[in-house]
Amino acid sequence: NAGVTQTPKFQVLKTGQSMTLQCAQDMNHEYMSWYRQDPGMGLRLIHYSVGAGITDQGEVPNGYNVSRSTTEDFPLRLLSAAPSQTSVYFCASSAALETQYFGPGTRLLVL
Amino acid sequence: GENVGLHLPTLSVQEGDNSIINCAYSNSASDYFIWYKQESGKGPQFIIDIRSNMDKRQGQRVTVLLNKTVKHLSLQIAATQPGDSAVYFCAENKGGSQGNLIFGKGTKLSVKP
Repeated sequence: NAGVTQTPKFQVLKTGQSMTLQCAQDMNHEYMSWYRQDPGMGLRLIHYSVGAGITDQGEVPNGYNVSRSTTEDFPLRLLSAAPSQTSVYFCASSAALETQYFGPGTRLLVL
Repeated sequence: GENVGLHLPTLSVQEGDNSIINCAYSNSASDYFIWYKQESGKGPQFIIDIRSNMDKRQGQRVTVLLNKTVKHLSLQIAATQPGDSAVYFCAENKGGSQGNLIFGKGTKLSVKP
């Protein structure tokens, strides 16, 4: 199993541009989440999903959209990128309620 | 308010010594706690977890202690090795919230040879 994969690894955007961060897992996990990690801080939850077709907001959802059309994929969309969204983004998945497995992250720079 | 935080942002230990990383939480409804290790440039890696009906849980070289009275969580690493150098995060899962973890800010552990 590849586990949790994320693409791209690095991305540079200009303010106002849109893009989609991809996340996929091959473990048939029901739960998937997106976090952002800023320097010197822990991870903050953006959005999460408890199954295909079901999503919910986390702690910092503004400026981001998600969808969950399949069990495997959970893309994160930035509608209009802002410098405040410069961060490292982690996707995670889990079968049970708690033990989450994280992807390698996407480093995003918004100029 | 709800908070998961760490008492010490950095910790430096000698190789072979034991390490103790602390974490405070304020949400008494939290029923599950996890410790993650994050190496530079990588995603967090699960280390050990504990449920609120337990006080202690042991893994390989690691022990997690939970004190619900003072809402305190600790991670003990025995015989710390250079490979243990990383940032350690505690996280809590509030009761009833699925897939929704609240992370602390992290403690950086540096192991001196």
